[in-house]
Formats: sequence, C-alpha cells, structure tokens
Amino acid sequence: KQEVTQIPAALSVPEGENLVLNCSFTDSAIYNLQWFRQDPGKGLTSLLLIQSSQREQTSGRLNASLDKSSGRSTLYIAASQPGDSATYLCAVIDADKLIFGTGTRLQVFP
Amino acid sequence: DAGVIQSPRHEVTEMGQEVTLRCKPISGHDYLFWYRQTMMRGLELLIYFNNNVPIDDSGMPEDRFSAKMPNASFSTLKIQPSEPRDSAVYFCASRGDSVAFFGQGTRLTVV
Repeated sequence: KQEVTQIPAALSVPEGENLVLNCSFTDSAIYNLQWFRQDPGKGLTSLLLIQSSQREQTSGRLNASLDKSSGRSTLYIAASQPGDSATYLCAVIDADKLIFGTGTRLQVFP
Repeated sequence: DAGVIQSPRHEVTEMGQEVTLRCKPISGHDYLFWYRQTMMRGLELLIYFNNNVPIDDSGMPEDRFSAKMPNASFSTLKIQPSEPRDSAVYFCASRGDSVAFFGQGTRLTVV
C-alpha cells in the first residue's frame, strides 16, 4: 500500500529565505506526482505536475524534483514571501488515483 | 472552463438527516474523485469514477455513504443518515490525462 510522508510538518521562516519541502513515498511505481497549495479554509490549488519520466518542473520561483528510485520529491521555493504562507501537499498519482501526503504548513513572516 | 464546481459550500444539518453533496467536474475530464479532509486524518479518498463508472469505493467509510455519477457532468455524494463524526470538508476533483483540479469543497457540520 502506497504511503506518502512530508517533512517537515510545519516550517516558519523569515521572508527572503530559500526553502525545501520534502515528500517521500514507499512504492516507486508511480504514474505522476503533483504538488498543491492549500490556503486556510480553501480548496487545493495545483502548483506543479511532474510526470514519471521527468526529473523536475519549474514554475516561477517554484521548482519540483522527482527521484522515483529513492521515492522522493522536493519542492524548492526561492526567495520566499509572506504570500507563500499556506499548507503544501504532495500527491502521488498511483495509476488512477491521487494519494496525498500529510502536508507541510509553511509560514513566512515579514 | 469555470473549474470544478461544488455545492453547497457550507451545510449544517442535524444528526439523522440526509445530506447530498454535488459536483460538476471540468468538461472533458474522465476521472472524478471524492475526498474528505479532517484535521485528524488529512485528505482521504472516498471513491473515484472513470467514465462515470465507480472504480474504487474502498474508502467509503460505511454503508451510510453512497455516490453516483449519472452522467459525465454531474456527481453526488450522499450521507444517510448523517452523524456528527461525518463533519469534515468534502472535496471533489477531476482529472483528464494529467493535472488534477479540485473544487472549493463543501464544509459539512452535523450537529
């Protein structure tokens, strides 16, 4: 059974820092991996999708990498801003369905 | 496209009442998912459909929960009878070939 874990569970940093959020999964036979952002009381917003044949994807200040063999993905946030404060979730796409990690709650203070 | 649309956004009901949550997926997406989110358990997959056919309902907690997808543009999740422990945010999501998109969720409170 696929299990997805995210470390750290919570993170508080000053504005301007570069951050790395980690996601690990137990079964490397995944289809894709998707990173989401969730603001309090809101739905999930898709940030990046990495297909299983890819190693990384970039969007603006965000860069996500995928290492299937080691069962890991990282989300790199450059030059963090207070507006980046949210919960970040990774989901492995296991054939059809998305299996979510536990999330990292990020707070960026001015 | 307006994205995945869920209704209602908020629902407060008394224990024992029937609750119906609704979802309109993104046009052209052939996968539809129902998730439940709580502080204790995070995001749990309840059931998903492919081309309107239920594929995996192993996450549905009890027989009180049922879901249907009568056509490609509409799905319902029904709880009958509802209980206080069903209080959670229920999300619907749809996916085509790659990226999954989520609705804004329905916050259900059973008192």
